[in-house]
This record gives sequence, C-alpha cells and structure tokens, in this order.
Amino acid sequence: GESVGLHLPTLSVQEGDNSIINCAYSNSASDYFIWYKQESGKGPQFIIDIRSNMDKRQGQRVTVLLNKTVKHLSLQIAATQPGDSAVYFCAEGGGSQGNLIFGKGTKLSVKP
Amino acid sequence: KAGVTQTPRYLIKTRGQQVTLSCSPISGHRSVSWYQQTPGQGLQFLFEYFSETQRNKGNFPGRFSGRQFSNSRSEMNVSTLELGDSALYLCASSLGQGGSNEKLFFGSGTQLSVL
Repeated sequence: GESVGLHLPTLSVQEGDNSIINCAYSNSASDYFIWYKQESGKGPQFIIDIRSNMDKRQGQRVTVLLNKTVKHLSLQIAATQPGDSAVYFCAEGGGSQGNLIFGKGTKLSVKP
Repeated sequence: KAGVTQTPRYLIKTRGQQVTLSCSPISGHRSVSWYQQTPGQGLQFLFEYFSETQRNKGNFPGRFSGRQFSNSRSEMNVSTLELGDSALYLCASSLGQGGSNEKLFFGSGTQLSVL
C-alpha cells in the first residue's frame, strides 16, 4: 500500500550543527511533499513544501531536497537551535491520493 | 488572523459513550480535514469536508462521522467509544478545495482518553 516512512526515528544533534532528516516515499505518482514540525502539546506546524517539478527549495534555515529517482525526501536544518527540538513529519500528496499521507515522524533532540 | 481552533482541548470518556469534537477553521478556509494521531500509528486520515460535503474518507469504521456547517466549522462524532479510540484528534483547514495538493494548517487537537 501507499506509505511514507522515515529512516531514523530519533536524531540527536549538537546546537549549532546542521540537521538532516530523511524520508522515503513509496508512491511514484506523488507530486507534492510537505514537512511539518510538531512540538509537545501542539499540532503539526507547516515548515516547507515542494512540488515534483523542483528538486530543491529553501526557506529560512531550512532546505528540502527531493530525489524522485529514489523516492527520497530530506529536510536540512542549518545551525540547529534548541527550539528546533520536536518531532518532524514528512507527508506526500498528489497523484491518486485524496489526502496527505504522513510518515511516522522523527524526533529531533538538540543538545546545548 | 486566528489559527484553527479545536474544542475541547481534553476529554475523558468511558467505553460505550459517544463524543463530539468541534473545529473552527482559519477565517476564509473552506476545507476541513480530520486526523487521528496515536503513538503507534502516527497520523491517520479520517475525513475531509468542503462546502458541507464529505469529499474523502479514510479507513475508519462507521462509528466515526463528521459534518461541516455553512460557516465551514466542522464537527466529528465518535459513537460507542472503544479503548482504542484514545488518541489526539487533529483538525486542519486549507484555503482551497482540499485534496492532497495543498498545505494543511492544524489546530492543537483534542486529546481523547477512553477509560
């Protein structure tokens, strides 16, 4: 079936380092991808999205890379800060799906 | 502009009861989606509404239902509650007609505990 999975369930980084969170998707027809950040006690918060006609998109301190050949998505966070500690979800959409399909999430812990 | 508002924030029910959760989307957003979030299953899609019509439904039993009002506000109902229904229920709104091609804006959720 269609699914979005994450390579690493937990990631621990030092403050100031760059973080890379990876995501594999299974539906080659998906053409819209999105990253969310969820802090404890809150709902998922939109970070950045990308469509399949692009392979890279940059935001403020974040970059999303899309590799359609291997169906892989990554989120790069520059100069990681303690406030970046959260669970990060990737989601895929478009194609034949009527709704966004979310991965299980990666917990990012930032050590001061 | 206010974000997505969900009420109540916490709810405790017993097995067999029913529950109604409420969601007010961002002003101007016409599509509302509901997701169930559990530690084991992650975010699972329940249903989506646009213009008071259910446009898409996830793989949940008929005990889970919802509706949308003319002001885009939405409610979801779970009847005959089971222990496994304990979860965080998230509502999200989007600006367009919904579907899977646009970003969702989530509320903080309703944490439902079934005892």
